[in-house]
Amino acid sequence: DQQVKQNSPSLSVQEGRISILNCDYTNSMFDYFLWYKKYPAEGPTFLISISSIKDKNEDGRFTVFLNKSAKHLSLHIVPSQPGDSAVYFCAASGNAGGTSYGKLTFGQGTILTVHP
Amino acid sequence: KAGVTQTPRYLIKTRGQQVTLSCSPISGHRSVSWYQQTPGQGLQFLFEYFSETQRNKGNFPGRFSGRQFSNSRSEMNVSTLELGDSALYLCASRYGTGSTEAFFGQGTRLTVV
Repeated sequence: DQQVKQNSPSLSVQEGRISILNCDYTNSMFDYFLWYKKYPAEGPTFLISISSIKDKNEDGRFTVFLNKSAKHLSLHIVPSQPGDSAVYFCAASGNAGGTSYGKLTFGQGTILTVHP
Repeated sequence: KAGVTQTPRYLIKTRGQQVTLSCSPISGHRSVSWYQQTPGQGLQFLFEYFSETQRNKGNFPGRFSGRQFSNSRSEMNVSTLELGDSALYLCASRYGTGSTEAFFGQGTRLTVV
């Protein structure tokens, strides 16, 4: 049962344009969401997070949008740079139903390639 | 401020052996979680520790165990290694138990032969 899904395995974008990465979740107990960037054989790097009490959070070039009714979140990167090329994971957590915020449930990841 | 430190970075073990991996969280962080990453299963939660107590456990067999020390450092142990245990093992540290960011270490690449 895949509770967090990233339906696009890959995304290719031109440098300077917007990258939009999407993520869907099914567990209504999730109320805290995070995005990570990852290179092979390295640990994920935290990018940005959002609590379910918000619908948008911005940090520099990164903006995360949360649509609770649709159980959908997205990460916008503007402008995209070649150095952004990596695998992007969304993750979800919650504190209800016997779980804890220390347990992150990850999507399968989306490979982002930004072309110069 | 130092990040999350995992040792060793690489490890090769033989089937049937056991292995211990170590994680030192960011200074001041008291929550440590462990994850396994494999090509087939992606990133999967193993367990979480806070103040030396296990708070949550994922769906892994009892061969996978962990502990946390009073200085928040954590170790995970895998006994009777199987080929399928070959993976990247990641440790994440958080400040507390609330909804805060989790920061990951570089991981330990375990290969079982």
